[in-house]
This record gives sequence, structure tokens and C-alpha cells, in this order.
Amino acid sequence: QVQLQESGPRLVKPSETLSLTCTVSGGSISSSYWSWIRQPPGKGLEWIGYVYYTGKTDYNPSLTTRVTITVDMSKNQFSLKLNSVTAADTAVYYCARGSGRFYFWGQGALVTVSS
Amino acid sequence: EIVLTQSPATLSLSLGERATLSCRASQNVSSDVLAWYQQKPGQAPRLLIFAASTRATGIPDRFSGSGAGTDFTLTISRLEPEDFAVYYCHQYGSSQTFGPGTKVDIK
Repeated sequence: QVQLQESGPRLVKPSETLSLTCTVSGGSISSSYWSWIRQPPGKGLEWIGYVYYTGKTDYNPSLTTRVTITVDMSKNQFSLKLNSVTAADTAVYYCARGSGRFYFWGQGALVTVSS
Repeated sequence: EIVLTQSPATLSLSLGERATLSCRASQNVSSDVLAWYQQKPGQAPRLLIFAASTRATGIPDRFSGSGAGTDFTLTISRLEPEDFAVYYCHQYGSSQTFGPGTKVDIK
């Protein structure tokens, strides 16, 4: 069974870069697409983007100028960087397997943007 | 961007009752790329239905999905205690968007 675990700073200052890593266990990262999805407190879900093991990416058009998703096959990890953050980027960030049909999810990481 | 609208926002029902949740898209969505998720407080979403009507592995048959074009429905035939949650529809054919969710709570 594939398991995913988010890690990274939980507090980020405004205008700085949010960085999270998702570690995949129980399966190879070269077998699928890998996505990031976020959920502001008390609100709905927003797809951020995905990466394929080849490095191919697709991003939410509303975030594309600020987001980068990369994959590290040697560590079986993929990562999210979101720059120029504001309070509106405060959310639980989930990593998930797939490019649209998300069977496996991480537990989520609450990242707060605050000075 | 394809906007998904879910109704009702909240559905208050009793155990054993039938729940009918609606998801309407602002443009046609291929049935191949429409999914439904269940989310409970403090948990990640759980995939229930993909391709509009295919149950994900391990999902009980009281959950069913239907629809095409711009109108999709998730039906829970008889509510069990563990079914009280928020349900989201999701399209992944033209970029990706989620609906705002329908909360199913106990009447």
C-alpha cells in the first residue's frame, strides 16, 4: 500500500517561499503522477498541480506564476515550492498520488503564513 | 475554468434515509473525468467514485454515481453513521476544479 507523508516548515512569513516535500513509501515514484492539493481552514479543496517522474508538470492556472513542483527519484520524493506567499496561502497542504483520480493521500500539513 | 456548483450546501437526513447530492458544471465535462470524494473532519479526502459512476476499491455499494454533460449526482442509498461527512465533486478533464462541497449531517 502506498503511503505519503508531507514535511516542511509549518510557519512561513509573508512574501517568502513555502516549501514542502512529500515522501512516498510502499511504491516507486516512477510509477505514477504526483499531485499537491490544498484546503484553507474551513474551506474547500484546490488543486495546485502535478508532476510526472519525467519532470513533466501541470499547474493550476491561478497559481502557475508562483508554483514549482519537482521530483527526486533518488529519494522517492516530490516537492512543492510556492513563492511570494500571503495570508491567503494559509492552508492544509496535501500530497496525493495521481493526476486526477486521487486514491492515496498524505495526512496533510497545515502551513500558516504569518509574520 | 470549469466551475462546479454543488447543491444543497447542507443536507440534513436521518439514518437509513437516501441522500441525493448534485454537482453541476459550468461547461460539459466528460464522464471519464468526474470524481466524488468524502471528507471527515481532520482527515484527507477519500475517493468514492471516479469516471462519474465507477466505485473506487473498497467503497460500499450503497454509494452510486450517475450523470453526464453538466449534471452529475452522488446517491447514498441508506445512510449509515459513518456517512455523515462533506462530499466534493471534482473534474480533472480541463485543468482541475473541485466543487464547494455538500455537508451531510444528522437530522
